[in-house]
Amino acid sequence: DQQVKQNSPSLSVQEGRISILNCDYTNSMFDYFLWYKKYPAEGPTFLISISSIKDKNEDGRFTVFLNKSAKHLSLHIVPSQPGDSAVYFCAASGGQAGTALIFGKGTTLSVSS
Amino acid sequence: DTAVSQTPKYLVTQMGNDKSIKCEQNLGHDTMYWYKQDSKKFLKIMFSYNNKELIINETVPNRFSPKSPDKAHLNLHINSLELGDSAVYFCASSPRRVITDTQYFGPGTRLTVL
Repeated sequence: DQQVKQNSPSLSVQEGRISILNCDYTNSMFDYFLWYKKYPAEGPTFLISISSIKDKNEDGRFTVFLNKSAKHLSLHIVPSQPGDSAVYFCAASGGQAGTALIFGKGTTLSVSS
Repeated sequence: DTAVSQTPKYLVTQMGNDKSIKCEQNLGHDTMYWYKQDSKKFLKIMFSYNNKELIINETVPNRFSPKSPDKAHLNLHINSLELGDSAVYFCASSPRRVITDTQYFGPGTRLTVL
């Protein structure tokens, strides 16, 4: 029973354009949402997060949007760069999960130059 | 200076063997985690320790036993290895047991059970 879903396994974008990665969740008790980035043969690295009391958080080229009523969040990368090519994991925590991160299956982003 | 390190990076072993994976963090964090990434690429929490005390213990076979000798180390011992244990195991740490504290992951240990 997946509580965090990333329905697009892959996304291809041209350099300079916007990348939009989507994530849906089912557990309304989640308080905190995160995006992690992962390169092959490395561990996930933290990218950006958002609390359930906010609807937007921005950090440089990365912006996360949260729509609580739709139980949906998205990550926008503008402009996309070839170095952004990686697997992006959406994660949630809080409620019964406590501090454990509940991950989606990931979306592989490919940015071509 | 690796913040969260795991040894070994690769582990190939036969069914029925017992093996251990070690994790060390030099960040001074209080909380450590083990996650498992299975063949379908799902990353799932297994255990969490806070200051050497077990605080999260998900539905994991009791063949898996975490041990935290001090708050900088969280080792994972697996008894009687089975084919289904083949996965990548990631250790992580965070400053405190608070959901807003970032979790820092190690590079992973790829376990292959033959």
